[in-house]
Amino acid sequence: GDSVTQMEGPVTLSEEAFLTINCTYTATGYPSLFWYVQYPGEGLQLLLKATKADDKGSNKGFEATYRKETTSFHLEKGSVQVSDSAVYFCALSASNTGNQFYFGTGTSLTVIP
Amino acid sequence: KAGVTQTPRYLIKTRGQQVTLSCSPISGHRSVSWYQQTPGQGLQFLFEYFSETQRNKGNFPGRFSGRQFSNSRSEMNVSTLELGDSALYLCASSLMLAGKETQYFGPGTRLLVL
Repeated sequence: GDSVTQMEGPVTLSEEAFLTINCTYTATGYPSLFWYVQYPGEGLQLLLKATKADDKGSNKGFEATYRKETTSFHLEKGSVQVSDSAVYFCALSASNTGNQFYFGTGTSLTVIP
Repeated sequence: KAGVTQTPRYLIKTRGQQVTLSCSPISGHRSVSWYQQTPGQGLQFLFEYFSETQRNKGNFPGRFSGRQFSNSRSEMNVSTLELGDSALYLCASSLMLAGKETQYFGPGTRLLVL
């Protein structure tokens, strides 16, 4: 079945460090891929998405490229800020007849000044 | 445009009781999905509704049920509450012009079962 495997956390980085959070997926068909972010006490917010192979999603300095050959969608940011501290979720949606999402387990990121 | 709203935001119940949670999707969105989020199990899909019909269902017992109204608002009901039902319940909506669309999440309802 469809699934997402996400890098275990927690991750602690110093401000301005480079961030990578790994995400790989298993899906039938051609899924859309998403990164969501959850701040404490809040729901999930869409960070970026990609709908087909080789697409690059980007937002707020974060980027992720849809790699079909490696079934991956790794999240990267060149210089993290304290305000980026949150939990990050990788997700996929593969069905053409519904909108069921499969989420990774989430990666907690803490950025220290 | 207003986002997804969920009521109530916080709820405390005791074992054996039942609870109803409400979700109002973004205006124009026709698909509503529900998720349970716990520290141990992460985000787990409960069910999806589209045009008042349940279209997808996750692996939860029959105590968990839902429905969608003609205005796309959705309710989720949990009967005979158990301690393990304590969780953040998230609702998400999407346009559903086609499959695999972005889901937009509400802030969640935090349920505590004592």
